[in-house]
Amino acid sequence: DAKTTQPNSMESNEEEPVHLPCNHSTISGTDYIHWYRQLPSQGPEYVIHGLTSNVNNRMASLAIAEDRKSSTLILHRATLRDAAVYYCILRDIITQGGSEKLVFGKGMKLTVNP
Amino acid sequence: NAGVTQTPKFQVLKTGQSMTLQCAQDMNHEYMSWYRQDPGMGLRLIHYSVGAGITDQGEVPNGYNVSRSTTEDFPLRLLSAAPSQTSVYFCASKRQGGKLFFGSGTQLSVL
Repeated sequence: DAKTTQPNSMESNEEEPVHLPCNHSTISGTDYIHWYRQLPSQGPEYVIHGLTSNVNNRMASLAIAEDRKSSTLILHRATLRDAAVYYCILRDIITQGGSEKLVFGKGMKLTVNP
Repeated sequence: NAGVTQTPKFQVLKTGQSMTLQCAQDMNHEYMSWYRQDPGMGLRLIHYSVGAGITDQGEVPNGYNVSRSTTEDFPLRLLSAAPSQTSVYFCASKRQGGKLFFGSGTQLSVL
């Protein structure tokens, strides 16, 4: 299974942009890149996903490298509420109709300083 | 919709006791799964199911049983609780190809 690598932690300042990196050098052509985050004392929540092109939604932007071996989650203006553990995971679109192990790993802790 | 509902929120067991963690979803999702989260370990997949009557093992299945008799429910059974099973347990569900929705978690302590 293709795996992802993230820093253990990052710090940012409130109202500044923050770029959260993820490496996935063994990604296959059918893997989607997904990001989830987990706020303190809560279950994880979906943030964004993409395959090849950059993606934007109300929460964040996802920039995917041309070779797809890395991606960056971009929070345009970090708030205190964005302090969370962020998970970058890969999902194979071929297996979405059948068995699908969604492995999260340890994620990356983002601290936002006021 | 209530989403994914987990009960109980907190539970204390003695070593050797059995119990069932309940998970129910009202979104008609085919896929359901259980994760455990230990400090510094991230989320680890225990078991998952892609539909009623179908279950499969995740990364850490030992000590846990599951069944999926209905689309809505996916209970997790601990037959003989051990201190190593002290953890926070999350249930999640999704439709085919969709995003995961997580419950609020069950904090389990085994003494």
